[in-house]
Parts: sequence; structure tokens; C-alpha cells
Amino acid sequence: AQRVTQPEKLLSVFKGAPVELKCNYSYSGSPELFWYVQYSRQRLQLLLRHISRESIKGFTADLNKGETSFHLKKPFAQEEDSAMYYCALSGVGDDKIIFGKGTRLHILP
Amino acid sequence: DVKVTQSSRYLVKRTGEKVFLECVQDMDHENMFWYRQDPGLGLRLIYFSYDVKMKEKGDIPEGYSVSREKKERFSLILESASTNQTSMYLCASTSPRTSAGSGNTIYFGEGSWLTVV
Repeated sequence: AQRVTQPEKLLSVFKGAPVELKCNYSYSGSPELFWYVQYSRQRLQLLLRHISRESIKGFTADLNKGETSFHLKKPFAQEEDSAMYYCALSGVGDDKIIFGKGTRLHILP
Repeated sequence: DVKVTQSSRYLVKRTGEKVFLECVQDMDHENMFWYRQDPGLGLRLIYFSYDVKMKEKGDIPEGYSVSREKKERFSLILESASTNQTSMYLCASTSPRTSAGSGNTIYFGEGSWLTVV
């Protein structure tokens, strides 16, 4: 069965410190992984997807098929990174998109 | 600018009432979704529609039904609202994923806060 696991409900990090939001997945086929972000009082929006292999707002995420992980990283946290982050998965031939439970990132000044 | 519009931002309904949540997208997307978002539970898929009049149950369809009579509109119906359906409801749309690597971005509405009393 498809499953996305985000083990941390809340992550507090000091400004300037590195950030890593964990995401593990379970999927039998070829998955596509995403990170979505929801800033306060804004709608959910795409942050990045693994196929584009780009860095958005300083964040990167690498798909590790051996460990079935797609952790989100940023070397130096900024206060504006405080938000709710969701890892999501979809598969080839399956347009359903499954989300993890989310991690609230709180950047401390 | 892509748009997914949910007609009601805030609703308060009584237990047992029938509730309609409407969603419209202007991107000609085939796929539309209804999720509910609850603290600690993340986004859970209620129903999914991949074409007009076509629907699939998500993870938590009990107590809900949907209607997709036109491509741009996807309605969520609570036949008899209960207090445990108090939640934030998110509508979303996307184009179909055609092959590995082609990817699709899901666009969300602003959400509808439903309180059932």
C-alpha cells in the first residue's frame, strides 16, 4: 500500500542552523515525490518535486530509493521558513496523491 | 494565474444537516480531489475524480459523497453532518500524470472551514 511517513510533528531549529525534514515512503512501483508547504494564512503550494532536481528557496531533496526516503534539507534556516511542510507521493498510472501527516517547522530567532 | 476556488470559506452547520462544499477550477484539469486537513493527521483523501461523472473513494469516504457533472466543478456532499466532520476541507486539481518523469503539480483551493454543532 502507498504510505508517506513524516516522523516529526514539530521541528524547532535556530535561525542559521541546518534543517532536515524527514520523509519516508512505501510504494511498490515508480513513485514521484513532492514537498508541499503551507505558510500561515496561505494555501498549500508546491515547494519542489524530485524529478526537477532543483533548489527552491534554498531547499533541496534527494530521492533515495534504497532507503525509500525523500528528506528535505536546507543548510541555513531563515525565519520565513516557519511553516507546515507536507511530503507527498504519486505513482505512474495512478493520479491519486497521498500526503504525509506533515511537520511544523518553527524557526527560532 | 491558476485558480482553484472554493465557494465557502467558513460554514457553521447543525448536526444532521446536508452540506454542500463547492469547488471550481479554471485550468481544464481532468483530476480533482477533496481532502480534509486535521492537526496531527495531515491531509487525508476523501474522494478523487479523474473525469466528468467518474469518481474513486479515497482513504476516508464514509459519510461523504461527491458530484462531478462538469469538468470544472467538483462538489463534496455531507449527507447528514456530524460533529466529527468539523474540519478544514481542501479541494485540489491537477492534470493526469502521463508517464514517469512527466510529473504533475497539484493546485489547492484556500480551504473551507466547516464547523458542525
